[in-house]
Amino acid sequence: GAVVSQHPSRVICKSGTSVKIECRSLDFQATTMFWYRQFPKKSLMLMATSNEGSKATYEQGVEKDKFLINHASLTLSTLTVTSAHPEDSSFYICSASGTGSGPYEQYFGPGTRLTVT
Amino acid sequence: AQSVSQHNHHVILSEAASLELGCNYSYGGTVNLFWYVQYPGQHLQLLLKYFSGDPLVKGIKGFEAEFIKSKFSFNLRKPSVQWSDTAEYFCAVNSGTYKYIFGTGTRLKVLA
Repeated sequence: GAVVSQHPSRVICKSGTSVKIECRSLDFQATTMFWYRQFPKKSLMLMATSNEGSKATYEQGVEKDKFLINHASLTLSTLTVTSAHPEDSSFYICSASGTGSGPYEQYFGPGTRLTVT
Repeated sequence: AQSVSQHNHHVILSEAASLELGCNYSYGGTVNLFWYVQYPGQHLQLLLKYFSGDPLVKGIKGFEAEFIKSKFSFNLRKPSVQWSDTAEYFCAVNSGTYKYIFGTGTRLKVLA
């Protein structure tokens, strides 16, 4: 089956610094990748959708200058949280779809736990 | 706007009990429906999906779900749960695109 990895799995950073999270599709070409944020005891909130080689489409209320998304290749997308603050602490999950995935089906990465101190 | 409702936020069952988790969606067009499971500390895994055809869908680990179009529902069922089914379950819907709308999730705890 399609496998999506994320790195790092956990990261702790200081307030004001930036942190980058990588999402990779390991065995298929991900034409579209999605970034979600999962709050404790709540559902996944879609932050943005990115297509390879083009700018990401952000959901309403998500600051695109704060959450920089790059999808430079068919196997890699990155999310950079810039000038992180404690309220950015959360669980960030990526997913991917593309060749090898079922119609309109997403495959999810294991998530990255970000803690901003 | 599309939305997905999971009315059971927390469910506690004893082993061997039957399970039914509700999922209702609001969208009038053609939909694709999914159930995902998230075990503690692990990533989302697909349990089952419905695109078309037989509205009774069989998934992994003995789970099944029934699509009832007239009720806009896609309830998840399992005849006999096990302790290892303790997890959070998410219903998701999309409508001809890759963009999912997720329900708020149901936390299931199975007592041994």
